[in-house]
Amino acid sequence: DTEVTQTPKHLVMGMTNKKSLKCEQHMGHRAMYWYKQKAKKPPELMFVYSYEKLSINESVPSRFSPECPNSSLLNLHLHALQPEDSALYLCASSQEVSGRAYGYTFGSGTRLTVV
Amino acid sequence: AQSVTQLDSHVSVSEGTPVLLRCNYSSSYSPSLFWYVQHPNKGLQLLLKYTSAATLVKGINGFEAEFKKSETSFHLTKPSAHMSDAAEYFCVVSEGTGRRALTFGSGTRLQVQP
Repeated sequence: DTEVTQTPKHLVMGMTNKKSLKCEQHMGHRAMYWYKQKAKKPPELMFVYSYEKLSINESVPSRFSPECPNSSLLNLHLHALQPEDSALYLCASSQEVSGRAYGYTFGSGTRLTVV
Repeated sequence: AQSVTQLDSHVSVSEGTPVLLRCNYSSSYSPSLFWYVQHPNKGLQLLLKYTSAATLVKGINGFEAEFKKSETSFHLTKPSAHMSDAAEYFCVVSEGTGRRALTFGSGTRLQVQP
């Protein structure tokens, strides 16, 4: 298995809703990432997990809450989002935190719309 | 600090003609360099990577790139464009870990005319 699987592919939620995005990989990668991508822009790093521990939080608002239950699974819990949070949310993984040798493997993303 | 400049935000070519997407980088260390492709409403797919081995790197779908340290460039080329190559392309540099793990260029949109 050489893929990063993200679910759901599309999500529409109201500003008072609570929802979660899920990301799964079975490549034995020890680093996992959440990125946010707005239209016509490159991805922006949100969170980095290394060996199931949060190592980087790029000053992301608390309405986004990441969780790494095990080495294969990464969640992003969403609560009280704003319309400007609408974007493509990408999950990625790498064999080690640096990604220098192999690069990152990205999932196909969750298209989130906040109404 | 590392940075990446993609010199063209938009490139348009005719099907069957060569493709050139330009990328310059800045790095304090010996970087790794990558090209990723993103088709509309899709995730990013790794096209090729340079990690201090051969300077001419071959990737998937007929793409290749040449690492030129003296010019700090890593341009992406393909001899003959196909309609399916129309997508957004990102040049990415990696120096190390954490926040310097990946730095993305602003992207180049490749349009392929029939």
